[in-house]
Amino acid sequence: DSGVTQTPKHLITATGQRVTLRCSPRSGDLSVYWYQQSLDQGLQFLIQYYNGEERAKGNILERFSAQQFPDLHSELNLSSLELGDSALYFCASSSRPVDEQYFGPGTRLTVT
Amino acid sequence: QKEVEQDPGPLSVPEGAIVSLNCTYSNSAFQYFMWYRQYSRKGPELLMYTYSSGNKEDGRFTAQVDKSSKYISLFIRDSQPSDSATYLCAMTLAGGNMLTFGGGTRLMVKP
Repeated sequence: DSGVTQTPKHLITATGQRVTLRCSPRSGDLSVYWYQQSLDQGLQFLIQYYNGEERAKGNILERFSAQQFPDLHSELNLSSLELGDSALYFCASSSRPVDEQYFGPGTRLTVT
Repeated sequence: QKEVEQDPGPLSVPEGAIVSLNCTYSNSAFQYFMWYRQYSRKGPELLMYTYSSGNKEDGRFTAQVDKSSKYISLFIRDSQPSDSATYLCAMTLAGGNMLTFGGGTRLMVKP
């Protein structure tokens, strides 16, 4: 157990809908990262927050957004969902902006 | 061509064998190198974290980085059936935080 928690574990929704994925980092970690894992693209970095501020952005679609709250938990919002958004979404955390990243168990999103 | 390449396998070995897993990369600016283990439908688990070139050992695992060849390896000694998983290499730039992953190698250790 990495200490990173994610909810929900599974999410099934329809195209065009909006969902929110939640992540709580390890105790003491200030940095949160979001990754998407799909069969065709593998694991891809989406976005990083450090102590409430956006720090780095990867291949994140405009329909996706994230934020980190004062208690350091983070939420990833996915809107106008498409079939291709079906994937595993992982959150990771680290204590410093550049450091070992520990992954949560993931949220499996299925868009029908 | 992807920045980080990994043979997808599957790699099948008998219990007790020494396993060698490898990644090649194209970006010479990568400075930090990691190996993660991922069981089916679970989150990646950090196994090794190394900086620049050289070797690092942790129990049955040894990570090697050869920056001149843009090649990294993970060796697993005395492999066990519980080592059966997908192994992902990952790397990042100095001062960077965005991990770039290989596609993963599926390992099967047969009892």
